[in-house]
Amino acid sequence: EPEVTQTPSHQVTQMGQEVILHCVPISNHLYFYWYRQILGQKVEFLVSFYNNEISEKSEIFDDQFSVERPDGSNFTLKIRSTKLEDSAMYFCASSGMDRAAGELFFGEGSRLTVL
Amino acid sequence: SQQGEEDPQALSIQEGENATMNCSYKTSINNLQWYRQNSGRGLVHLILIRSNEREKHSGRLRVTLDTSKKSSSLLITASRAADTASYFCATDEAFNDMRFGAGTRLTVKP
Repeated sequence: EPEVTQTPSHQVTQMGQEVILHCVPISNHLYFYWYRQILGQKVEFLVSFYNNEISEKSEIFDDQFSVERPDGSNFTLKIRSTKLEDSAMYFCASSGMDRAAGELFFGEGSRLTVL
Repeated sequence: SQQGEEDPQALSIQEGENATMNCSYKTSINNLQWYRQNSGRGLVHLILIRSNEREKHSGRLRVTLDTSKKSSSLLITASRAADTASYFCATDEAFNDMRFGAGTRLTVKP
């Protein structure tokens, strides 16, 4: 069964360092998303991406964040200069249909710990 | 921010009992979805209900949607210990991308 794959599963970094989280969405999907979940809390929308550009972003997704689809399969989230409050589980999701129609398929997440 | 809000925050029941979780939202939606999350894992889609639908079933799951009250409920019948998880509703309020609530943590005791 096709699945969304995320790497690394856990990353520990020092405050101020750059982090790149990697995702391989399901191959025929066209819509890509990043969400984050601070431990035990709600799942927060960060950004959506379609047709090689950002469709929508939340207030959390400030200038420190960027996304890229560098080739036909990967979808990355970069945090330029990490802060302690960026510590969270980051989930990538993809969908074959737009927001009006489709379910989201989530990866298992990348846990980011900022020290 | 616009998103579904679940209640209760936590629910503890015995195996075999039914579990009901509720979700409320604020503005217009195209669809509402329910997801499940086992501890430390990714979210898994359970069911999608569109704004023109009132009820949907999938196995032991029953979802209702009342657009006049801007609310939905998820009923899990004949619960099992394996149903222990957090359950989230997600909405595309104001035609934005899906936003999630804080979830209901369900514990089913054997």
